[in-house]
Amino acid sequence: NAGVMQNPRHLVRRRGQEARLRCSPMKGHSHVYWYRQLPEEGLKFMVYLQKENIIDESGMPKERFSAEFPKEGPSILRIQQVVRGDSAAYFCASSPTATLAGGEYEQYFGPGTRLTVT
Amino acid sequence: AQTVTQSQPEMSVQEAETVTLSCTYDTSESDYYLFWYKQPPSRQMILVIRQEAYKQQNATENRFSVNFQKAAKSFSLKISDSQLGDAAMYFCAYRGYNTDKLIFGTGTRLQVFP
Repeated sequence: NAGVMQNPRHLVRRRGQEARLRCSPMKGHSHVYWYRQLPEEGLKFMVYLQKENIIDESGMPKERFSAEFPKEGPSILRIQQVVRGDSAAYFCASSPTATLAGGEYEQYFGPGTRLTVT
Repeated sequence: AQTVTQSQPEMSVQEAETVTLSCTYDTSESDYYLFWYKQPPSRQMILVIRQEAYKQQNATENRFSVNFQKAAKSFSLKISDSQLGDAAMYFCAYRGYNTDKLIFGTGTRLQVFP
């Protein structure tokens, strides 16, 4: 069973360009989470999505950032008009079930995409 | 809001020895989950161990065990018989019972010397 896939692994963008980060969850997983790791820091939650729904976007910057998880295909984290401060590692995780029932599930992480803005 | 604090930016241990990494957290919830994740140079996040707050027994996974002190809001990780492959960043994380997002500490970099 393939793990969580993220691509690209490394992405270089100039200031003002758009960045698109893709995440394919593990087979059978319908819940996706995006986290950002700034240099020398821990991971910070950005957004939680189920198929075609954004469940929790409390960690998303209000502007330039958006995420989707369509019925078919990978989840996409999109950053418009990137700035140097967006340089970070972006991690995607997936899980099989929701947690509202307090389910003892794990979030399985992908290898991350390292975004560098020049 | 919940917070997770790791006060040791770096730790070192000799191969075959034991090391303990500290983690404290702050929450008003009574039910929650705590995790330790390992991040080697490859940057892949690997779950090391998990503790449910309602369980009094400390979790163990082979050479890894935790000391969970709920009243003190402390959750330390003990690595026994340290191996060179244990060298990595270690992150402590919290998840509320009815939430989905993980809240991470800032990490402890563990070096293992032969």
